[in-house]
Amino acid sequence: EIQMTQSPSSLSASVGDRVTITCRASQSISDYLHWYQHKSGRAPRLLIDSASSLQSGVPSRFSGSGSGKDFSLNISSLQPEDFATYYCQQSYSTPWTFGPGTKVDIK
Amino acid sequence: QVQLEQSGGGLVKPGGSLRLSCVTSGFSFSNYFMSWVRQVPGKGLEWVAYMSGSGRSLFHADSVKGRFSISRDNAKNTLYLEMNSLRVEDTAVYYCARDGLVVVGSLDVWGQGTTVTVSS
Repeated sequence: EIQMTQSPSSLSASVGDRVTITCRASQSISDYLHWYQHKSGRAPRLLIDSASSLQSGVPSRFSGSGSGKDFSLNISSLQPEDFATYYCQQSYSTPWTFGPGTKVDIK
Repeated sequence: QVQLEQSGGGLVKPGGSLRLSCVTSGFSFSNYFMSWVRQVPGKGLEWVAYMSGSGRSLFHADSVKGRFSISRDNAKNTLYLEMNSLRVEDTAVYYCARDGLVVVGSLDVWGQGTTVTVSS
């Protein structure tokens, strides 16, 4: 089973800040890496698939990069609606696994 | 409009059974892999199972293997999760999700979630 780690586990930021979340896989997963946003009481939302492909309707302030084992999610200018928990997930091999999440809250 | 409408959650005693349903609309259901994902209270997301569009390919996480079974009825555009021998640790919000058509494993549409509580 491929283990996913994320850092930081939580962060406090202000509106307008640039935020970077990193995700590491326990082995190479090529670009089979996806990012989700999850707000309490709501369904998760796919932001980025294949490491860097922005989903339709997702604001361009979100971007993803990386390949192999190391990946990152960037939010260029944090907006009030971006406060949430972010998860990475690999689909290189079953069982698909999620990272533990990064909670982004208001400073 | 693509929609996934879930039902079937509830309170059940340890050892009991439940069946979750996920009725879909707005897309060609039989063309898509579908998955179940859960979130234990206070914890992160855990992928539970997937099934291919034809139903010929399926996979269950070790934590539920032998107890849970994913299935689908393409004529009814509906995905199911049969849960048997439920344990307290299966208490979670369960989501059905559609896999990406090109990138299998990227879950691009989600149901609203249904709560399963296993308690005596």
